[in-house]
Amino acid sequence: AQSVTQLDSHVSVSEGTPVLLRCNYSSSYSPSLFWYVQHPNKGLQLLLKYTSAATLVKGINGFEAEFKKSETSFHLTKPSAHMSDAAEYFCVVSLGGTYKYIFGTGTRLKVLA
Amino acid sequence: DTAVSQTPKYLVTQMGNDKSIKCEQNLGHDTMYWYKQDSKKFLKIMFSYNNKELIINETVPNRFSPKSPDKAHLNLHINSLELGDSAVYFCASSQGTSGQETQYFGPGTRLLVL
Repeated sequence: AQSVTQLDSHVSVSEGTPVLLRCNYSSSYSPSLFWYVQHPNKGLQLLLKYTSAATLVKGINGFEAEFKKSETSFHLTKPSAHMSDAAEYFCVVSLGGTYKYIFGTGTRLKVLA
Repeated sequence: DTAVSQTPKYLVTQMGNDKSIKCEQNLGHDTMYWYKQDSKKFLKIMFSYNNKELIINETVPNRFSPKSPDKAHLNLHINSLELGDSAVYFCASSQGTSGQETQYFGPGTRLLVL
């Protein structure tokens, strides 16, 4: 069965320092993986996605993620955090052929001035 | 232009009432979804329609009934509302059903049942 685990429920970083949000997945097939961001009281916005092409995926707002099959990971990184990055981040694995997204439990990113 | 829109944005109602949430997408997508986000921010799919046909129906109480009058609309009707139905409900849409497509989410409907 497919599943996704976000290893940290909360992450705090100082503005200007790197961001690392961790995600591990479990899938019997080659998965599609996504990162979405949700700002307070807003909907979800796609940051980036992996669909079996390049393993290093670049997204919006300077975020990127690397698909590592050997580690079953898809961690999200950003070199330098900005105050506007404070939000909830969701890692998602897609069950190919069944149209379903399986969401992780989310990581709340806090950016300190 | 709003790609996926939901109405209402907020809904406060009493237990036992019946309410509907509407969703419309102007992206020309053929697949639409309803998700429930609970108080701990956990998101879970409830239903999905492809070309007006139900393709995903998770273990949701039958008090919840989705209706898709056309490809651009997916409404959610909830009968006999209970306290546990309080949540944020998100509509989403995508083009195709391979699982690799990006889903585009609406702004959410915050339902509070008193």
